[in-house]
Amino acid sequence: QQQVKQSPQSLIVQKGGISIINCAYENTAFDYFPWYQQFPGKGPALLIAIRPDVSEKKEGRFTISFNKSAKQFSLHIMDSQPGDSATYFCAASTMEYGNKLVFGAGTILRVKS
Amino acid sequence: KAGVTQTPRYLIKTRGQQVTLSCSPISGHRSVSWYQQTPGQGLQFLFEYFSETQRNKGNFPGRFSGRQFSNSRSEMNVSTLELGDSALYLCASSTNRGDTQYFGPGTRLTVL
Repeated sequence: QQQVKQSPQSLIVQKGGISIINCAYENTAFDYFPWYQQFPGKGPALLIAIRPDVSEKKEGRFTISFNKSAKQFSLHIMDSQPGDSATYFCAASTMEYGNKLVFGAGTILRVKS
Repeated sequence: KAGVTQTPRYLIKTRGQQVTLSCSPISGHRSVSWYQQTPGQGLQFLFEYFSETQRNKGNFPGRFSGRQFSNSRSEMNVSTLELGDSALYLCASSTNRGDTQYFGPGTRLTVL
């Protein structure tokens, strides 16, 4: 019940295209859903985050869509650029467990120029 | 503000040894969490400290321990190292429960 399932494992997108990564969770107590971006040799960096009281959040080219009833959320990267090539992790947490983040397995995104 | 810093960045140890990793959080952040990242298991939560107290703990053996000092700096210790402990150990800091966590660059531990 603590798992967050992420798909796809890897993704290749043409420059200018839309990258879509999906995550699903079981624990309905989760109340915070961040996405992290990680480049080789670096720690994960927060990209965008959402709480269950909204269904969508947009920041620049990055959008989170959240479906509470389906217990799913997704990251959309519009106008994907080669510089977006990185590993993306979805995560979830609940105030019950402090700052413990439960991470998805990660998606390796490659944007072809 | 300076980001989260971790030292050392790279470490090579042999089986049976112990190791101590250090994390300095962002100034003003009182919560420090530790994660282990491996290709097979992904990112897994080790423990969280807040105001020098362990607030939460993941499913790791007792060989993994940590502490936090009054200035919020944190250390984690792994005793009796095993080959499977080879990983990137990440530290994240935040102001408090439920707030954004900022990760450091990690310490790459290799156990031979």
